[in-house]
Amino acid sequence: GESVGLHLPTLSVQEGDNSIINCAYSNSASDYFIWYKQESGKGPQFIIDIRSNMDKRQGQRVTVLLNKTVKHLSLQIAATQPGDSAVYFCAEIPRLLSGYNKLIFGAGTRLAVHP
Amino acid sequence: EPEVTQTPSHQVTQMGQEVILRCVPISNHLYFYWYRQILGQKVEFLVSFYNNEISEKSEIFDDQFSVERPDGSNFTLKIRSTKLEDSAMYFCASSGRQVEKLFFGSGTQLSVL
Repeated sequence: GESVGLHLPTLSVQEGDNSIINCAYSNSASDYFIWYKQESGKGPQFIIDIRSNMDKRQGQRVTVLLNKTVKHLSLQIAATQPGDSAVYFCAEIPRLLSGYNKLIFGAGTRLAVHP
Repeated sequence: EPEVTQTPSHQVTQMGQEVILRCVPISNHLYFYWYRQILGQKVEFLVSFYNNEISEKSEIFDDQFSVERPDGSNFTLKIRSTKLEDSAMYFCASSGRQVEKLFFGSGTQLSVL
């Protein structure tokens, strides 16, 4: 369950519906963006990424959209399932390097899927 | 699928005590990271490590923090004298040839009393 102090925005959806999770990022010059899923008691898990020279990328049931004009990133999940319930974080890499890369995480959104 | 493992999963300590958080990154990865997440807040970068030295550290990573790769498999984060505000979930991460793709462990929940 939730703890005191955990003030994440929550998106509640019905199983089978499509979900759209939004994120505003900070650096207009960032090279690379990632969505991570974090289930309770686990670390962030990579979902999908997109480079700054693209505006859309599709995965198996997920699509990421990038709008550089307004510095906005969204994650669309098709046919949402109970297993999709988690906190979702966007992250950006300001300058993609050939070696180590520092991720800057955004605020998370909790996705709650109801049967 | 290979994964990053962290021990312990929970650590309770008294203020002023030293703690060592342990991580085993994915075996062929070369870049290692520590991040932390205070309850209800964003995941924050602490430090990156490559070729046995720190590549970059954040302002959170002050003199009380250190990292080490004591052997070919472990990667540790030491907090020399813990403070109440160090209470957080600490995540280890590693990346390999696809350097932008970080794999995270399940974290160590550190509680400083």
